[in-house]
Amino acid sequence: GESVGLHLPTLSVQEGDNSIINCAYSNSASDYFIWYKQESGKGPQFIIDIRSNMDKRQGQRVTVLLNKTVKHLSLQIAATQPGDSAVYFCAENSGGYQKVTFGTGTKLQVIP
Amino acid sequence: DAGVTQSPTHLIKTRGQHVTLRCSPISGHKSVSWYQQVLGQGPQFIFQYYEKEERGRGNFPDRFSARQFPNYSSELNVNALLLGDSALYLCASSLVEGIGYTFGSGTRLTVV
Repeated sequence: GESVGLHLPTLSVQEGDNSIINCAYSNSASDYFIWYKQESGKGPQFIIDIRSNMDKRQGQRVTVLLNKTVKHLSLQIAATQPGDSAVYFCAENSGGYQKVTFGTGTKLQVIP
Repeated sequence: DAGVTQSPTHLIKTRGQHVTLRCSPISGHKSVSWYQQVLGQGPQFIFQYYEKEERGRGNFPDRFSARQFPNYSSELNVNALLLGDSALYLCASSLVEGIGYTFGSGTRLTVV
């Protein structure tokens, strides 16, 4: 079946360093991927997305990389700040765009 | 502008009872989806509605049902509550199906 999963459940980084959060997916038909940030007590917040016809997309302080050969994507956060502390989910959107399938999440802890 | 609003924010119910959760999408958004998030896991897709029609259903029992009203707000109903139904229930809306979802902060349901 389809699954989207993460390699590391918890990631601790020093403030100012770069963070890299990894994600593997199993559905080779997936064509749209999204990264969400979820802070305690809140719903998931959209960060950045990428379509399968791209291998890199950049936003403000964030970059998503997609490697379709090994079915892997990553989220890079530059100059990590305390406000970046949250749980990050990768997700894929396929099946007629009717649903988003989330992975289990990685908790990012920023050390001041 | 108001985001996706959900009510109530917290709810405690007894096993066997019925619950109704409500969601108001962002103004102009015609697609509404419901997700269940168990503690420590990613959100799981329950339903998606677009223009008042059910467009997708996740792997949830028939105890779960939903509907979308002419003003695009939505209700999620759960009958015969089980302890395992305790979770954060998230509503998300989007302008078009499957892309650009904005999530609400959720309803925390506790079944005792």
